[in-house]
Amino acid sequence: DTGVSQDPRHKITKRGQNVTFRCDPISEHNRLYWYRQTLGQGPEFLTYFQNEAQLEKSRLLSDRFSAERPKGSFSTLEIQRTEQGDSAMYLCASSPSNEQFFGPGTRLTVL
Amino acid sequence: QKEVEQNSGPLSVPEGAIASLNCTYSDRGSQSFFWYRQYSGKSPELIMFIYSNGDKEDGRFTAQLNKASQYVSLLIRDSQPSDSATYLCAVREDDSNYQLIWGAGTKLIIKP
Repeated sequence: DTGVSQDPRHKITKRGQNVTFRCDPISEHNRLYWYRQTLGQGPEFLTYFQNEAQLEKSRLLSDRFSAERPKGSFSTLEIQRTEQGDSAMYLCASSPSNEQFFGPGTRLTVL
Repeated sequence: QKEVEQNSGPLSVPEGAIASLNCTYSDRGSQSFFWYRQYSGKSPELIMFIYSNGDKEDGRFTAQLNKASQYVSLLIRDSQPSDSATYLCAVREDDSNYQLIWGAGTKLIIKP
């Protein structure tokens, strides 16, 4: 399968714990995006990378969120001190230029 | 605040009919327009994109763009029950910004 992959697919954690998600983009895609989506809403932009450079981060994103793409290939998204409001689907997308292709997402539940 | 607006629905269409989904956007400088399909509990799947005014056809799908009126639409011909999903409209602002602005989606129900 040469599509975008994400791991884990589901994560249940207790409030205050840290979580980390991984995204493996389509290999020749140099752009990688992270989104968050809640029920009944469109994807909410979090951040994006061109190769290893993080070019933009949403102003809505608190300091508890951080993302890396150390070698311009896979990326990780970490949420520190999780809150119940962080419960959502976290989506990763990769892009060769204009169109974005999504992975299956990681569903986070914070108890 | 740049916005993309969609009617949340649900839009109910009989099987075999044409489903028409609409999207308006606020930024007149927007350049690229995308339609994604999202089944419940799944991630968005790209089905169409359009960059120029007019129509673009791909199988049963036609995207229509009118930049003067700032709307983009998606037509689905010969609707099938498997087309039942939420359809998300996304707009890219300009050549220097690769972010997409997303609508909240329209839920489409195809009734057999």
